[in-house]
Amino acid sequence: QKEVEQNSGPLSVPEGAIASLNCTYSDRGSQSFFWYRQYSGKSPELIMFIYSNGDKEDGRFTAQLNKASQYVSLLIRDSQPSDSATYLCAVYGGSQGNLIFGKGTKLSVKP
Amino acid sequence: EAQVTQNPRYLITVTGKKLTVTCSQNMNHEYMSWYRQDPGLGLRQIYYSMNVEVTDKGDVPEGYKVSRKEKRNFPLILESPSPNQTSLYFCASSPRQENYGYTFGSGTRLTVV
Repeated sequence: QKEVEQNSGPLSVPEGAIASLNCTYSDRGSQSFFWYRQYSGKSPELIMFIYSNGDKEDGRFTAQLNKASQYVSLLIRDSQPSDSATYLCAVYGGSQGNLIFGKGTKLSVKP
Repeated sequence: EAQVTQNPRYLITVTGKKLTVTCSQNMNHEYMSWYRQDPGLGLRQIYYSMNVEVTDKGDVPEGYKVSRKEKRNFPLILESPSPNQTSLYFCASSPRQENYGYTFGSGTRLTVV
């Protein structure tokens, strides 16, 4: 059973700080990794994907992948109260359709 | 507007009464999937479909049925709902390109009493 692990939080950061969200995965053969954001009562929304070792930046978001350590992270720079949400890490399981999610980390950005 | 549409948004039913939650996407995506989300357990995949007439089990398929007779539709069927199927359900779709991920519908909150 492939697994995706995340610290459930809550993670609390002050406005303007860097929020760091972490995820580990069990399948060393995993290739593609996704970060979703889910506001309370809403559906998950894709914000980043990464498949190469290293960093990928998109605006205030940076995804970091280390396949040797089976570790993927999401950094949010200049955190805003509107970033307060649950962040879900996801990895493909046995096939493309089988996208496995971690339980999510709840982020709270305090003004 | 490109979207995944699921209905109904809210449903309260009684134990044992068959129900269907509909899901439709207008993006011509090959992949479709159903997830349930429960507090403390996260998003768990029920079934997914790679194309018309091709489906596979996810992590929690027991008590559910699906069918994919048309590319755009992927209904979730509960033949005999039980209270432990009370949950928030999401339908999702994805194109065949591997790095796209799923686009989710707005969710269906099901309560079985």
